[in-house]
Amino acid sequence: AQSVTQLGSHVSVSEGALVLLRCNYSSSVPPYLFWYVQYPNQGLQLLLKYTSAATLVKGINGFEAEFKKSETSFHLTKPSAHMSDAAEYFCAVRKNSGGGADGLTFGKGTHLIIQP
Amino acid sequence: NAGVTQTPKFRVLKTGQSMTLLCAQDMNHEYMYWYRQDPGMGLRLIHYSVGEGTTAKGEVPDGYNVSRLKKQNFLLGLESAAPSQTSVYFCASSYRTGGWMNTEAFFGQGTRLTVV
Repeated sequence: AQSVTQLGSHVSVSEGALVLLRCNYSSSVPPYLFWYVQYPNQGLQLLLKYTSAATLVKGINGFEAEFKKSETSFHLTKPSAHMSDAAEYFCAVRKNSGGGADGLTFGKGTHLIIQP
Repeated sequence: NAGVTQTPKFRVLKTGQSMTLLCAQDMNHEYMYWYRQDPGMGLRLIHYSVGEGTTAKGEVPDGYNVSRLKKQNFLLGLESAAPSQTSVYFCASSYRTGGWMNTEAFFGQGTRLTVV
């Protein structure tokens, strides 16, 4: 079964510093990977998705992620953190079973804190 | 275009009471999902539907029932609420394309349910 592990339940960075949120996947087949962001008291919004077309994926709000098969990773980065980036971030993988329509499996989330 | 709309936004139930959460999407999506979000647990799939009139169990289906009588609506029912069902519930929908495995899910704003 496909799964993802997010390393670090909380990450704190200074405003203007590099943001790095880690996600490792486990999959017996080529994975379809996603990053979502959740602002307080809101639903989840798609940041970016890996579709096998390119290993470096650019998303919204200046975020990007690189798919590394050798490391089974899909880490999320942003060169310069902004206060508005403070939120919960989820990595997810498509279940890829039962015809594939049975949804996404989510990591436990990483809370990103931005220090002024 | 409202996307995915959930009602109600908040609800407090007494143990043993029943209720129905409504999810409506106006994007003509085939697939719909109900997730619950608990602190430190990420999102876990309760039930899902791959089309009108069809439903299937997810990871944590016990204590919940669902129905999808119309393509745009997906209802989640709690027959006899328990404190363990205190959670934030999210509905999501997704679409089918030629490369449907890389299609993302669109989320509602959530329903915060407290069972006392």
